[in-house]
Amino acid sequence: EAQVTQNPRYLITVTGKKLTVTCSQNMNHEYMSWYRQDPGLGLRQIYYSMNVEVTDKGDVPEGYKVSRKEKRNFPLILESPSPNQTSLYFCASMGDGANVLTFGAGSRLTVL
Amino acid sequence: AQKVTQAQTEISVVEKEDVTLDCVYETRDTTYYLFWYKQPPSGELVFLIRRNSFDEQNEISGRYSWNFQKSTSSFNFTITASQVVDSAVYFCALSEAGNQFYFGTGTSLTVIP
Repeated sequence: EAQVTQNPRYLITVTGKKLTVTCSQNMNHEYMSWYRQDPGLGLRQIYYSMNVEVTDKGDVPEGYKVSRKEKRNFPLILESPSPNQTSLYFCASMGDGANVLTFGAGSRLTVL
Repeated sequence: AQKVTQAQTEISVVEKEDVTLDCVYETRDTTYYLFWYKQPPSGELVFLIRRNSFDEQNEISGRYSWNFQKSTSSFNFTITASQVVDSAVYFCALSEAGNQFYFGTGTSLTVIP
């Protein structure tokens, strides 16, 4: 089944403890991206990647890092999480020419 | 400035009523894409429609229809004869170069049985 898989789906952590949210897609898509969803703010793009080793900042990149060493994986790294990064995170991928994002199921992160 | 505006935060309708969700976008590009996504209470994001800037034809898919008007920079979504299963948050989105995506703040639709 074609899908985008995120892990973990739920995580409670404490301020400053580094964490990584993994994202993997099995559709051979070139494009991948991360979003956060907050009440009243909709979805905002954090980072995106057009291809392996190519990443660019979205609207809200502060406090996040990404890497794209392989086509299928695009992990989101929070080096020193803070409470304002408590949010629902979505990973998405998109195939060439399709211009349609396929989203993962979401990862709910709470930073205490 | 917000690139995609969904002014309706919450809408409630009684089942079988028609409802229109508004979306206004802002861009200087001549080539862009517009989207609608649905987020049911289970939380996943479901793609509904994509429109490119060169195709202003309205589209109908079952009870769903979309009205794209470049003159008013709007891409409105109408649900005809609403059903309880239509209760969800609906997001309108804009993509300019196919790289960055801008989402509206969403409209929460509740269909009352």
